[in-house]
Amino acid sequence: DTGVSQDPRHKITKRGQNVTFRCDPISEHNRLYWYRQTLGQGPEFLTYFQNEAQLEKSRLLSDRFSAERPKGSFSTLEIQRTEQGDSAMYLCASSLTDHYGYTFGSGTRLTVV
Amino acid sequence: DQQVKQNSPSLSVQEGRISILNCDYTNSMFDYFLWYKKYPAEGPTFLISISSIKDKNEDGRFTVFLNKSAKHLSLHIVPSQPGDSAVYFCAATVPNTGNQFYFGTGTSLTVIP
Repeated sequence: DTGVSQDPRHKITKRGQNVTFRCDPISEHNRLYWYRQTLGQGPEFLTYFQNEAQLEKSRLLSDRFSAERPKGSFSTLEIQRTEQGDSAMYLCASSLTDHYGYTFGSGTRLTVV
Repeated sequence: DQQVKQNSPSLSVQEGRISILNCDYTNSMFDYFLWYKKYPAEGPTFLISISSIKDKNEDGRFTVFLNKSAKHLSLHIVPSQPGDSAVYFCAATVPNTGNQFYFGTGTSLTVIP
């Protein structure tokens, strides 16, 4: 298993554009998490899935943020109408249910110009 | 509102000596705590955890101590090695929330050969 994969590694976009990031979790992991990390801060929880069900999304930063996990496999995180404040590292992690230690991917670094 | 705090942004230790990284939290509902280690350009990797029903957990050179009354936990690394140089995050979760973690801001450890 190659671990958690995130694509792209880097994304530069103009303000107002939409962006979509992909995460491929470890295949047997049924939980998938999205976090955001800004400079000098720790990861900040955004949302998570148990298989294909999105069980928590109230902590998504605004209604411009949405996530999906069709068929309980890979997941996508979309940010619509990007703003400069969205510039950050977006981290995906996966785990087995009730296993506390996640496996994180290397992240997607978003720069909004 | 930062519920998990790491007040030391950086720490330098000589190789072979003990490294002590500290973390404070404010939410008395937290019941499980983790430490993650992060190298540049990589996602955080799980290091060690502790349940709130324990006050100590040890794994090789790494020991985590939990003082619930003080809402404080610490990570001890003995002996420190140059390969331990990384950013260390503590994280905590509330029960029945699907393991959504609150992270501290991190402490950058440098082990000097």
